[in-house]
Amino acid sequence: KAGVTQTPRYLIKTRGQQVTLSCSPISGHRSVSWYQQTPGQGLQFLFEYFSETQRNKGNFPGRFSGRQFSNSRSEMNVSTLELGDSALYLCASSNADRGGTEAFFGQGTRLTVV
Amino acid sequence: EDQVTQSPEALRLQEGESSSLNCSYTVSGLRGLFWYRQDPGKGPEFLFTLYSAGEEKEKERLKATLTKKESFLHITAPKPEDSATYLCAVQPRTGANSKLTFGKGITLSVRP
Repeated sequence: KAGVTQTPRYLIKTRGQQVTLSCSPISGHRSVSWYQQTPGQGLQFLFEYFSETQRNKGNFPGRFSGRQFSNSRSEMNVSTLELGDSALYLCASSNADRGGTEAFFGQGTRLTVV
Repeated sequence: EDQVTQSPEALRLQEGESSSLNCSYTVSGLRGLFWYRQDPGKGPEFLFTLYSAGEEKEKERLKATLTKKESFLHITAPKPEDSATYLCAVQPRTGANSKLTFGKGITLSVRP
């Protein structure tokens, strides 16, 4: 059974640009969550999508947005990139209709903003 | 607001030297507490889920336990391949979402 797939693995962008990251969840999983990981803040929750609807959102500015498609694949977009957006972005999928089960993570996308 | 504190931040052990990693948490009703292992440059790998105080789970050299305020990850006779960052996360009972609140992690180094 294939795991969570994130593309691309690495990205280098310039300040002010925008970026789109992609996540394909484990087959059958309908919940997809996104996290930002930095050395100083650790793993922080960005948002969760379930059945194409955003179910929960963390404390990040509106420059961070996402969406989910009917096949449960999800994309995350960051507009007007800032140096502080450099981080490892992780996607996690679970088959939880109401939460309470484990989330499985992809390998992440390493974003560097220069 | 849910909070997770892990200690110590870093731990260096000799191969075979058993120890425990601590995860203290506050949450508005616990739905689940999760332990993950993360290797450098990779995503977190799921280890255990604990749901209620008194619960224990084991996997090879690892054993996770849960109380109402803490969880411990006990490592028995560790090997160098156990070197990694160990993350603890909680999921609240309220709401129908899957949000996890993570601790900063404990970096474990096991010397041969």
